[in-house]
Amino acid sequence: EAGVAQSPRYKIIEKRQSVAFWCNPISGHATLYWYQQILGQGPKLLIQFQNNGVVDDSQLPKDRFSAERLKGVDSTLKIQPAKLEDSAVYLCASSPLGQGRTNEKLFFGSGTQLSVL
Amino acid sequence: QKEVEQNSGPLSVPEGAIASLNCTYSDRGSQSFFWYRQYSGKSPELIMSIYSNGDKEDGRFTAQLNKASQYVSLLIRDSQPSDSATYLCAVNMDLSGGGNKLTFGTGTQLKVEL
Repeated sequence: EAGVAQSPRYKIIEKRQSVAFWCNPISGHATLYWYQQILGQGPKLLIQFQNNGVVDDSQLPKDRFSAERLKGVDSTLKIQPAKLEDSAVYLCASSPLGQGRTNEKLFFGSGTQLSVL
Repeated sequence: QKEVEQNSGPLSVPEGAIASLNCTYSDRGSQSFFWYRQYSGKSPELIMSIYSNGDKEDGRFTAQLNKASQYVSLLIRDSQPSDSATYLCAVNMDLSGGGNKLTFGTGTQLKVEL
């Protein structure tokens, strides 16, 4: 079974530039998550999709971050413009269960390490 | 108060000893609890889940849950150097609009020394 695919693996940009990350979840997984993990901290949920609808985006800085999940499969996360404090690993994860049920297990991708200079 | 709290460590234990990792959570209605292991530079991977009060054992790992105290722990018996990693406590919390989300603690770094 193929895992969660993410690209790029690394990205270095200057502040005020824009950047986009891509995620392809495990086939058939209904729920997709984007987490931000700053060095030394636990993953922080940015946005959670159920199929192509947003379940939770309460911690997404909407003035600069945006995300979409077209057709309920692939997803992209964009930052525009980037700030120094956005330097982190951006993890995409997927789960097979639907909304309202316990998230039994999240399958994580390798992550994208973003450095903002 | 943070939603999920852990001591950041590092927690150092000698090889063969028992490592005890602790976590407290704020949402009294939470029903599902997980321990993820994260090696340096890698993504988190699930090692244990627990839903009922008491103990759950899986090999060298035992998860313990006390909902009244809002406390969950992970015991690692016969610790090995390969267990050296950051252990993330994760709690499933209900969303006000329906559904649930997984909230992680900051993680405890475990070092198993030879």
